[in-house]
Amino acid sequence: EAGVAQSPRYKIIEKRQSVAFWCNPISGHATLYWYQQILGQGPKLLIQFQNNGVVDDSQLPKDRFSAERLKGVDSTLKIQPAKLEDSAVYLCASSLDRWSGGYEQYFGPGTRLTVT
Amino acid sequence: ELKVEQNPLFLSMQEGKNYTIYCNYSTTSDRLYWYRQDPGKSLESLFVLLSNGAVKQEGRLMASLDTKARLSTLHITAAVHDLSATYFCAVDRAGGTSYGKLTFGQGTILTVHP
Repeated sequence: EAGVAQSPRYKIIEKRQSVAFWCNPISGHATLYWYQQILGQGPKLLIQFQNNGVVDDSQLPKDRFSAERLKGVDSTLKIQPAKLEDSAVYLCASSLDRWSGGYEQYFGPGTRLTVT
Repeated sequence: ELKVEQNPLFLSMQEGKNYTIYCNYSTTSDRLYWYRQDPGKSLESLFVLLSNGAVKQEGRLMASLDTKARLSTLHITAAVHDLSATYFCAVDRAGGTSYGKLTFGQGTILTVHP
């Protein structure tokens, strides 16, 4: 079974530029998550999708971050404009829906973003 | 706001020794997860604990959950070098039929040496 796919794996941009990350979850997983992991810290949940609807985006800095999952499968996370403090690894995870006991989240390899 | 605290944050162990990592959290939850992360890698799920008193074991690792004490432990038995990694606990702050709103601890960096 293929795992969660993310691209790009690495990205370096200058502050005030924009960037987008892509995630393809495990086939059949209805729930998709984006996390931000700053060096030396645990991941922080940014947004949770159930199919193509947003379940929780309470920790997403909406003035600069946006995310979508238009067809309920793959997802894009965008930052515009980027700040130095956005330097982090952005992790995508997916899980089955709750009716299937989808508690366990499977994480992708992450995208390491450096903002200079 | 849910707070999740792990201790110790750094753990240097000798091979063959036993030790326990503690995960305390501040609000009621009956779902707790343990993950492992190797340097430069993503997170690997180790255990999913879904009820009070849950205990799960895999190889040299055993995790338990006490929801009344708001405490989970990850016990390492007879450590080997391959266990060197960062270990995170995560608590689901969603309630009822909702799930997935994980708050992670700071992580425990475990180094096992000869």
